[in-house]
Amino acid sequence: AQSVTQPDIHITVSEGASLELRCNYSYGATPYLFWYVQSPGQGLQLLLKYFSGDTLVQGIKGFEAEFKRSQSSFNLRKPSVHWSDAAEYFCAVGASTGGFKTIFGAGTRLFVKA
Amino acid sequence: ETGVTQTPRHLVMGMTNKKSLKCEQHLGHNAMYWYKQSAKKPLELMFVYSLEERVENNSVPSRFSPECPNSSHLFLHLHTLQPEDSALYLCASSQDLNLNYGYTFGSGTRLTVV
Repeated sequence: AQSVTQPDIHITVSEGASLELRCNYSYGATPYLFWYVQSPGQGLQLLLKYFSGDTLVQGIKGFEAEFKRSQSSFNLRKPSVHWSDAAEYFCAVGASTGGFKTIFGAGTRLFVKA
Repeated sequence: ETGVTQTPRHLVMGMTNKKSLKCEQHLGHNAMYWYKQSAKKPLELMFVYSLEERVENNSVPSRFSPECPNSSHLFLHLHTLQPEDSALYLCASSQDLNLNYGYTFGSGTRLTVV
């Protein structure tokens, strides 16, 4: 069965600094991979997705992610963080086997300091 | 109105009450989902509907009863809940069950069972 691990429960970065949020997945074939963001009191918003093609994908709000099959990773990056990026970020994997499930990681809470 | 709308935003209910959560989307999507988000736990998929037919029931207790009268509306009927059912309940929709589309989430209903 597929699974998703986000090793960092929370991360603090300074405004203007670069950001990388880690995500590792477990699945036998090429999965569908997603990053979502959740601001307090809100639902999740899709940032970007990958399922084939170029392994570096661009998303909304200046985010990008890179799929690395050899490392089973799909890390999220942003070159310069803004205070408004403070939120919880979820990595998710969908598999074409085992039903219609998209499995979400436990999330990484991002704090941005001035 | 666009997007996925959930009502009510907040709900407090006693363990003997019966209440319903409502989800509405006008995106023309054919698949709808209920997720449970509890503190410090990954999102848990509860139910999946495609074209108004339930296609997934993820071992959810019978005190949760979903209903999908049409492709735009999804309900979650609640009765005799337990305090551990307190959580954020998120509704999502997608174009169809193909995993590459990603989900559009509502803002959720914060449920407190007293």
